[in-house]
Amino acid sequence: DQQVKQNSPSLSVQEGRISILNCDYTNSMFDYFLWYKKYPAEGPTFLISISSIKDKNEDGRFTVFLNKSAKHLSLHIVPSQPGDSAVYFCAAHRTYKYIFGTGTRLKVLA
Amino acid sequence: DTGVSQDPRHKITKRGQNVTFRCDPISEHNRLYWYRQTLGQGPEFLTYFQNEAQLEKSRLLSDRFSAERPKGSFSTLEIQRTEQGDSAMYLCASSSGQNPQETQYFGPGTRLLVL
Repeated sequence: DQQVKQNSPSLSVQEGRISILNCDYTNSMFDYFLWYKKYPAEGPTFLISISSIKDKNEDGRFTVFLNKSAKHLSLHIVPSQPGDSAVYFCAAHRTYKYIFGTGTRLKVLA
Repeated sequence: DTGVSQDPRHKITKRGQNVTFRCDPISEHNRLYWYRQTLGQGPEFLTYFQNEAQLEKSRLLSDRFSAERPKGSFSTLEIQRTEQGDSAMYLCASSSGQNPQETQYFGPGTRLLVL
């Protein structure tokens, strides 16, 4: 039962352009959502989060959008930089539990 | 504070052996989580502690798995009679529990290979 899905396993973007990573969920009881970035041989690093009562949260180059009716969230990175190349996981929270998607590998081309 | 630490970073063991991993959370973080991650998958929730109390345990955690957090500080995850399917990265995370929308901080993980 995959409650959080990231349907794109990989994404390549030119440096300076926008990266858009998508995530879908099935459980309307999730109360907030998070994005993590992961480099090889390291644990995931928190990027940005959004409450289920919001539709947008922005932090520097990173913006997360939430569409509750579609049960969809997206992470926008503008402008994309080569150092952003990593695996990105979305996660959803409910009652102490965090459910993660399978990740999207982003490659930013110089 | 240098963040969440895990020990060992790598473990190779033979099928049937027992293994134990340790996690030291960020000091004063009262919430601690264990996850398992296999290739091509996201972290998969295993169990959660608030202080020394284990409040949530995944159905994925068979009877061969046990976790403790005896004094509400470090935690251990033990796998008894390891099987090849236990090969994975085991991640620990902690959070402060002080706000509703809190951030988990992950350790670097312990990579287990069962031969």
